[in-house]
Amino acid sequence: DTAVSQTPKYLVTQMGNDKSIKCEQNLGHDTMYWYKQDSKKFLKIMFSYNNKELIINETVPNRFSPKSPDKAHLNLHINSLELGDSAVYFCASSQETAGEQYFGPGTRLTVT
Amino acid sequence: AQSVTQPDIHITVSEGASLELRCNYSYGATPYLFWYVQSPGQGLQLLLKYFSGDTLVQGIKGFEAEFKRSQSSFNLRKPSVHWSDAAEYFCAVGANYGQNFVFGPGTRLSVLP
Repeated sequence: DTAVSQTPKYLVTQMGNDKSIKCEQNLGHDTMYWYKQDSKKFLKIMFSYNNKELIINETVPNRFSPKSPDKAHLNLHINSLELGDSAVYFCASSQETAGEQYFGPGTRLTVT
Repeated sequence: AQSVTQPDIHITVSEGASLELRCNYSYGATPYLFWYVQSPGQGLQLLLKYFSGDTLVQGIKGFEAEFKRSQSSFNLRKPSVHWSDAAEYFCAVGANYGQNFVFGPGTRLSVLP
């Protein structure tokens, strides 16, 4: 029944590793997003996908790459993890790019 | 591009007291405005939204917000705060161009018993 789901909820890994976070939405929305929330709770948009096309790509390192196999999924791949990547990552979706977004529960990534 | 400010980083109120959280935005046209709440360790939940029409909008959990174009504000209010309202509150603005969706820095609400 969950509208936007993410896996895993927690991810602990070492520097230099490659990891992925999965996101799925069952709302039939056209646009999906990835946000990074830092320790001060500031939300920064990283990517958004509309109809499998990247429409926003903020200044994030190219170690981060979104992959959308279909409209309902937007996965986040991170290569060569660094300490500064530790944060909570949220997936979200919306019907329109300016409309209300529905958020997943978040994935807390800790890089040691 | 649009931007959002929330002047108060942290607010503390007593349970039962009224609450107003401030939000100011910058955008060239009529924006889409939102308030979200994030409880500790949780994701963001939409409280209410304004797209057009009546400038006073009602949301979930007894919250309301008023859009004031002349002041570029969209303040969130609640007449009587409950201990369970302690959380982080985010104002956001959506647009059909530019950055599309921008969040404010958030206001942390603490509730005293």
